[in-house]
Amino acid sequence: GDSVTQMEGPVTLSEEAFLTINCTYTATGYPSLFWYVQYPGEGLQLLLKATKADDKGSNKGFEATYRKETTSFHLEKGSVQVSDSAVYFCALSELNTGNQFYFGTGTSLTVIP
Amino acid sequence: DAGITQSPRHKVTETGTPVTLRCHQTENHRYMYWYRQDPGHGLRLIHYSYGVKDTDKGEVSDGYSVSRSKTEDFLLTLESATSSQTSVYFCASRPGSSYNSPLHFGNGTRLTVT
Repeated sequence: GDSVTQMEGPVTLSEEAFLTINCTYTATGYPSLFWYVQYPGEGLQLLLKATKADDKGSNKGFEATYRKETTSFHLEKGSVQVSDSAVYFCALSELNTGNQFYFGTGTSLTVIP
Repeated sequence: DAGITQSPRHKVTETGTPVTLRCHQTENHRYMYWYRQDPGHGLRLIHYSYGVKDTDKGEVSDGYSVSRSKTEDFLLTLESATSSQTSVYFCASRPGSSYNSPLHFGNGTRLTVT
């Protein structure tokens, strides 16, 4: 079945450091891939998405490239800020299971000044 | 965003009592979902709806029921609350059946069962 695996957290970085959060997936078909962000006390918000191989999703300085050959969708940001402290979720949705999303377990990021 | 409102935001209840959580969306989205969020488990799907009166089970549906009598409202009922149902519950919606369309989330309901 479909699944998403994220790197374990928590992750602590200094402001302006480079961020990578790893995400790999298993899917029976050709999924769309998503990154969501959750700030304390709030619901999940869509951060970016990619719908086909080699697509790059980007938003607010974050980027992720859909790599079909490695079944990966790693999240990156060149210079993190304190305001990026949140929990990040990788997710997939595909045609075969069009009604359902599959989420990773989330990676907590704390950025210290 | 999709204008999803969950109520209540917080609730404390006793074991064995029924509890109903409400989700209201203003975007006329066809699909609606209930998830629970627990440490170490991420989000797990409880039930979802693909239209008025059309619902189906997710991976952790035991002990939960849902109803959708109007497009905008999706209710989650814990028939007899147990301590294992202490969790944060999120409602989500999406506009259509395309697997490319993202989910939009409410801000969650924190439920404590004592």
